[in-house]
Amino acid sequence: DAKTTQPPSMDCAEGRAANLPCNHSTISGNEYVYWYRQIHSQGPQYIIHGLKNNETNEMASLIITEDRKSSTLILPHATLRDTAVYYCIVRALLGGGGADGLTFGKGTHLIIQP
Amino acid sequence: DTGVSQDPRHKITKRGQNVTFRCDPISEHNRLYWYRQTLGQGPEFLTYFQNEAQLEKSRLLSDRFSAERPKGSFSTLEIQRTEQGDSAMYLCASSGSGTGVSPLHFGNGTRLTVT
Repeated sequence: DAKTTQPPSMDCAEGRAANLPCNHSTISGNEYVYWYRQIHSQGPQYIIHGLKNNETNEMASLIITEDRKSSTLILPHATLRDTAVYYCIVRALLGGGGADGLTFGKGTHLIIQP
Repeated sequence: DTGVSQDPRHKITKRGQNVTFRCDPISEHNRLYWYRQTLGQGPEFLTYFQNEAQLEKSRLLSDRFSAERPKGSFSTLEIQRTEQGDSAMYLCASSGSGTGVSPLHFGNGTRLTVT
């Protein structure tokens, strides 16, 4: 899987949009961008994934640049409960073998300020 | 959907003892993964099952570690002769098959402390 680069930490004011960047300049054509978050003492929680189109669900929006070399996760109205470590991961389509699991980096520690 | 369940949530053991953890995946998921996470690091892949077949093992999975998924449902991870370096959070995840891009859904882990 391609590597990703994320800032180690970010702050955001409660009620504002939190925009978390991720660089994945070596992403391949068959690799998806996944976002997970992990709140202290819990397992990682799936947020969203996408290939090349922007995606939105009840938790967040994912904006992928046209060249697919970077993406941004947007939490539209951050709350204190969104304080967590956010992981950006690129993952290949299952192609007849291999774990097709997830390779985690260190993520971005997002702190929502009251 | 009751989510991925792991038991126990916490385990304290003395060095040299054996421990076993259990994971119950989401019922319709045929893929099951084990990860390990140490403080300040992201989770690291250990091993992966598709149904009852163990298809891949990480180099992190030493000979003291063994995982099973006998009927393609729940899985167990056993660590023999535990060492202090085994202290970590052990996470289980499951996913469905099909397109191959089904998200992994994680349990809340078993935190192991080896004294």
